[in-house]
Amino acid sequence: AQKITQTQPGMFVQEKEAVTLDCTYDTSDPSYGLFWYKQPSSGEMIFLIYQGSYDQQNATEGRYSLNFQKARKSANLVISASQLGDSAMYFCAMREAMGTGRRALTFGSGTRLQVQP
Amino acid sequence: DVKVTQSSRYLVKRTGEKVFLECVQDMDHENMFWYRQDPGLGLRLIYFSYDVKMKEKGDIPEGYSVSREKKERFSLILESASTNQTSMYLCASSFLSSSAVQETQYFGPGTRLLVL
Repeated sequence: AQKITQTQPGMFVQEKEAVTLDCTYDTSDPSYGLFWYKQPSSGEMIFLIYQGSYDQQNATEGRYSLNFQKARKSANLVISASQLGDSAMYFCAMREAMGTGRRALTFGSGTRLQVQP
Repeated sequence: DVKVTQSSRYLVKRTGEKVFLECVQDMDHENMFWYRQDPGLGLRLIYFSYDVKMKEKGDIPEGYSVSREKKERFSLILESASTNQTSMYLCASSFLSSSAVQETQYFGPGTRLLVL
């Protein structure tokens, strides 16, 4: 079974509107971290936001917020007031405590967001 | 700012060639990683290293090897390049933290490799 599922291959949003990118995950580990990265066409992966499984509040970083629903195992990224520069691929990723010997992230397949003027 | 650099943005090689991809980070990070990115598959871990001369296999190590002789440098080696190794290669680094789940990885710009 996939650990990280991003069901939206592509999304369109109008400039200045909010958009939600979906991410569901699968783990039996009570301790884990969830990350979102942005990848513009230039290729570099840019860290956006982090949510820990024990965090009581949803993470926020500027225009980015994470809608964390632990019971549903979802960690959706919300981008408010979309800008043209938000057009990119977005990846959800997870690290489980049990797998920390490797310290690597498990990534979803990504969602391509296009912001239209 | 964290800086992770990769030696080439684009590389074209022939089947059977030995290929070296270099990655350098300037933040004194203990952990370094090599991922491969293919459309529809996300990023998959090839190898990672948590210390100089230490390495561990990731999910898809076949056909690859790595070298970490200095803390800031992590090299990915394709011993005999094949066409199915045409891909985007991303290097990343992170601090070693007591709370490993929180370790944020910082990525380089990627190398797009084409094997003919």
